[in-house]
Amino acid sequence: EEVLVESGGGVVRPGGSLRLSCVASRLTFHDYAMTWVRQVPGKGLEWVSDINWNGSRTAYSDSVKGRFTISRENAKNSLFLQMSGLRAEDTALYFCARHISWNIYDAFEIWGRGTMVTVSS
Amino acid sequence: ETVMTQSPATLSVSPGERATLSCMTSQSVGGHLAWYQQKPGQAPRLLIYGVSTRAPGIPARFSGGGSGTEFTLTISSLQSEDFGVYYCQQYNSSVTFGQGTKVDFK
Repeated sequence: EEVLVESGGGVVRPGGSLRLSCVASRLTFHDYAMTWVRQVPGKGLEWVSDINWNGSRTAYSDSVKGRFTISRENAKNSLFLQMSGLRAEDTALYFCARHISWNIYDAFEIWGRGTMVTVSS
Repeated sequence: ETVMTQSPATLSVSPGERATLSCMTSQSVGGHLAWYQQKPGQAPRLLIYGVSTRAPGIPARFSGGGSGTEFTLTISSLQSEDFGVYYCQQYNSSVTFGQGTKVDFK
């Protein structure tokens, strides 16, 4: 079974930083773009960031631009999200997902189960 | 930003009935529209992309249609496992999701 596993979530104070990771197993990682999507429990889906297959192109939602950085390490089948300047409104379950193609702005075919980030004093 | 509006908010359907979900976009998204199903405690699952292409493993009772700014997801004969929340997503200009339609059973 193709699997994406997120980690790195936790409780952090406002203004703090956190680094999320997503590791792919039993699926092709390096040929596909990847994304982070978040969801406040009980609410809808919010796109956060995309990265293309080789990391040369990235995109961010306005709500996280300048505070979050997406990156990937294809040799380790890994995706990352460095989050800084965290705010209470960043509290959510963060999913990583693999695109259906190599480019950013696409549909998301394979999803992880998510890692919870809570920003609270 | 392209705003996505889904209707209805909740759809109550009996098993075996046809369900039609609507998604309207604030500007044209070309063929860059997808649908997802999410069940409680689970990650979303891709159903449809490119307006009408079923993702691998998705049953034929799910179909997508529409163009421009108006799109639909149709479940031809609702099964018990089809309950959940359905989201549309555009990926023509950045990425945005609709607010979701909850499908539950009468």
